Amino acid sequence: EVQLVETGGGSIQPGGSLSLSCAASGFTVSSNYMSWVRQAPGKGLEWVSVIYSSGRTYYTDSVKGRFTISRDNSKNTLYLQMNSLRAEDTAVYYCARLTVTPTEWWFDPWGQGTLVAVSS
Amino acid sequence: DIQMTQSPSSLSASVGDRVTIACRASQGITNSLAWYQQKPGKAPKLLLFAASRLQSGVPSRFSGSAYGTDYTLTISSLQPEDFATYYCQHLYTFGQGTKLEIK
Repeated sequence: EVQLVETGGGSIQPGGSLSLSCAASGFTVSSNYMSWVRQAPGKGLEWVSVIYSSGRTYYTDSVKGRFTISRDNSKNTLYLQMNSLRAEDTAVYYCARLTVTPTEWWFDPWGQGTLVAVSS
Repeated sequence: DIQMTQSPSSLSASVGDRVTIACRASQGITNSLAWYQQKPGKAPKLLLFAASRLQSGVPSRFSGSAYGTDYTLTISSLQPEDFATYYCQHLYTFGQGTKLEIK
């Protein structure tokens, strides 16, 4: 069964750091495009970051220089290192596999999500 | 950047109704559009990709269509489990969401 399980969320003060993990089963993380998508309380979905199978990474502007996406091939796990956290980073963070073809992009499957709450 | 504008933002309907949700792209996206369903406290679920291709396991009452830069998600006969929020997506951009509520 293809599955993603996120861990690592929690409450943190502004300026702090947190690391999220996303363990995959049923497929190989390193052979796929993997992404993080977040959802602030009561709000819509916002793409955060992606790591290509090649290892190339991209970020939404608001997290550039603060967040780092990575993977551990031996553990088949995706990570998101979040530094200098701000109140506006408060959200449920989902990891998702991104399928990319020459003309199509879609996110599937998704993990269950992990809540990051940034507050003093 | 291409903007995706969903409408309406909320919608009330009854079981058995036919419902349509729209998503407009700010420029042509050649049917590169996916639709997701999200229930409260749950992760989004892929319904359709390539504008009209049904994801495996998704009921056939869900369908998608395209006309120019306008894309539509249609639920032919609403079931109780369909009341949720729906999002369109193109590349890294999601629409604002449409909350489908019971009338």
